[in-house]
Amino acid sequence: AQSVAQPEDQVNVAEGNPLTVKCTYSVSGNPYLFWYVQYPNRGLQFLLKYITGDNLVKGSYGFEAEFNKSQTSFHLKKPSALVSDSALYFCAVRDMENYGQNFVFGPGTRLSVLP
Amino acid sequence: DAMVIQNPRYQVTQFGKPVTLSCSQTLNHNVMYWYQQKSSQAPKLLFHYYDKDFNNEADTPDNFQSRRPNTSFCFLDIRSPGLGDAAMYLCATGGSSYNEQFFGPGTRLTVL
Repeated sequence: AQSVAQPEDQVNVAEGNPLTVKCTYSVSGNPYLFWYVQYPNRGLQFLLKYITGDNLVKGSYGFEAEFNKSQTSFHLKKPSALVSDSALYFCAVRDMENYGQNFVFGPGTRLSVLP
Repeated sequence: DAMVIQNPRYQVTQFGKPVTLSCSQTLNHNVMYWYQQKSSQAPKLLFHYYDKDFNNEADTPDNFQSRRPNTSFCFLDIRSPGLGDAAMYLCATGGSSYNEQFFGPGTRLTVL
């Protein structure tokens, strides 16, 4: 079965500093990986995805993620954090064992960017 | 703009009083999902439709039902809400295998 881990419940970073939100996964077959962000009382917003190709994926709002097959990781990064980046971040993998219709989400990481 | 719309954004109901949450989409996606999310936890999949085919998760209580009368609309019915059903309910759509899900803004359900 597919699974996603986000080892940190909370990440704190100072504004202007680089940020990393960690994600590791376990899948059978090729991984289809996604990052979403959720602001309070809102739905999830798509940030970026890895399907195939370049291991460094660029997404919305200056975010990028690095796919590392040997470490089964897909860490989310941003070179310079903004206070407005403070939110809940979810890593997800598409469950290709179930005709690819279901997504498995990690438990989430709360990012706080301090001014 | 193409989008996923959920109504209402906030719903208050009484213990045991049936409630229906609505979701519509203009993306023309085959798949529509309903998730339950409690207090900043990961969304929990309740069920999804692939076209008209209904797929229920094994641990979804019978209290939760869904209808999809056409491609654009999907409803979540909670037949007898309990206090434990208070949560954010998220609707999402999905297209081809390589695409991400598109989420609506959610409906926050309060049970009194």
